[in-house]
Amino acid sequence: KAGVTQTPRYLIKTRGQQVTLSCSPISGHRSVSWYQQTPGQGLQFLFEYFSETQRNKGNFPGRFSGRQFSNSRSEMNVSTLELGDSALYLCASSLLAGNNSPLHFGNGTRLTVT
Amino acid sequence: QQQVKQSPQSLIVQKGGISIINCAYENTAFDYFPWYQQFPGKGPALLIAIRPDVSEKKEGRFTISFNKSAKQFSLHIMDSQPGDSATYFCAASNAGNMLTFGGGTRLMVKP
Repeated sequence: KAGVTQTPRYLIKTRGQQVTLSCSPISGHRSVSWYQQTPGQGLQFLFEYFSETQRNKGNFPGRFSGRQFSNSRSEMNVSTLELGDSALYLCASSLLAGNNSPLHFGNGTRLTVT
Repeated sequence: QQQVKQSPQSLIVQKGGISIINCAYENTAFDYFPWYQQFPGKGPALLIAIRPDVSEKKEGRFTISFNKSAKQFSLHIMDSQPGDSATYFCAASNAGNMLTFGGGTRLMVKP
């Protein structure tokens, strides 16, 4: 079974631009979560989607948004990029929502904002 | 409080030794405590997880010990191997897949 696929792997953007990151979950998984990983703040929860509905949202500004499609694939968007948005963005999928179903992470998209 | 505090930040262990990583939490509503292993360039991978109704869980060389009254849990890696060298994260959750992660421990196992 293929794992969680994130595209692109690397991205370089300029401050003020916007970016869209893509995530394909493991086949059959209906829940997709996004996390931001930085050396200073560590791993922080962004949001979780299940059946195209956002279930939970972390403490991030409204510039960070996401969505999930009917095939469970998900995208996250960051508008008006700031230097501090440089990070590894990780997508994770699970079979179900709720913590009875283990989270499987992709290898992330490394975003660099210059 | 949603914080999960993890220690130590880094750990060096000899091959064959025991690696111990500790975590403490404040939110008593947390009911799921997983540990993740992350290698450079890769996403975190679930190692083992425990719920608060169990005080210990063992899977192969990996054991979680859980102390509900102290609000602490720890990961023990027995017979540590160089291939175990990675960054380890504890986490906690009480709401779906909204994990609160500890700061991470960089483990180096010397041959």
